[in-house]
Amino acid sequence: GNSVTQMEGPVTLSEEAFLTINCTYTATGYPSLFWYVQYPGEGLQLLLKATKADDKGSNKGFEATYRKETTSFHLEKGSVQVSDSAVYFCALSDHRGGGGADGLTFGKGTHLIIQP
Amino acid sequence: SQTIHQWPATLVQPVGSPLSLECTVEGTSNPNLYWYRQAAGRGLQLLFYSVGIGQISSEVPQNLSASRPQDRQFILSSKKLLLSDSGFYLCAWSEGQINSPLHFGNGTRLTVT
Repeated sequence: GNSVTQMEGPVTLSEEAFLTINCTYTATGYPSLFWYVQYPGEGLQLLLKATKADDKGSNKGFEATYRKETTSFHLEKGSVQVSDSAVYFCALSDHRGGGGADGLTFGKGTHLIIQP
Repeated sequence: SQTIHQWPATLVQPVGSPLSLECTVEGTSNPNLYWYRQAAGRGLQLLFYSVGIGQISSEVPQNLSASRPQDRQFILSSKKLLLSDSGFYLCAWSEGQINSPLHFGNGTRLTVT
């Protein structure tokens, strides 16, 4: 079946440091890939996505490139801020039901802590 | 624009009591709807999804059930809660197109005592 593996957290960095959160996946077919962010006490927000190989998703200074050859979708940011502290989830799309009901398979999440 | 509402935000219930969590979506029609549960250290687990009124698919057999009485309403229920039902429950919707992203509500923190 499909699965997503993320690096274990928490990841603690100083402000303005470079960020990489690793994500690898196992899937049949050609899924779309997503990064979601969850701030304390809130639901998940879509951060960025990529729908095919070599696509790069980007948003709010974050980037991730869909690497089919390495089955990876690593999240990067050049200079993190304290406000980036949150839990980050990597996910891939599944195909459920005849109506194109794409649920998502999520990784376990990586807790990111940015210190001033 | 589309919005999703989920309530209550927090809930404390004794073991053996019933449960009803409600989720509604505005600004779209015929969305796909989902219930996820987030347990500490275990990521998100898909519980139920629905592609239309009265159509419910269960991903994991357990003490919970779901219903979709209206196009944009999704309800998560239990007749008798267990301690293991504690967690953070998230409702989500997506468009009925392949590879559409999910859009989440703010979640319900359920504590079963």
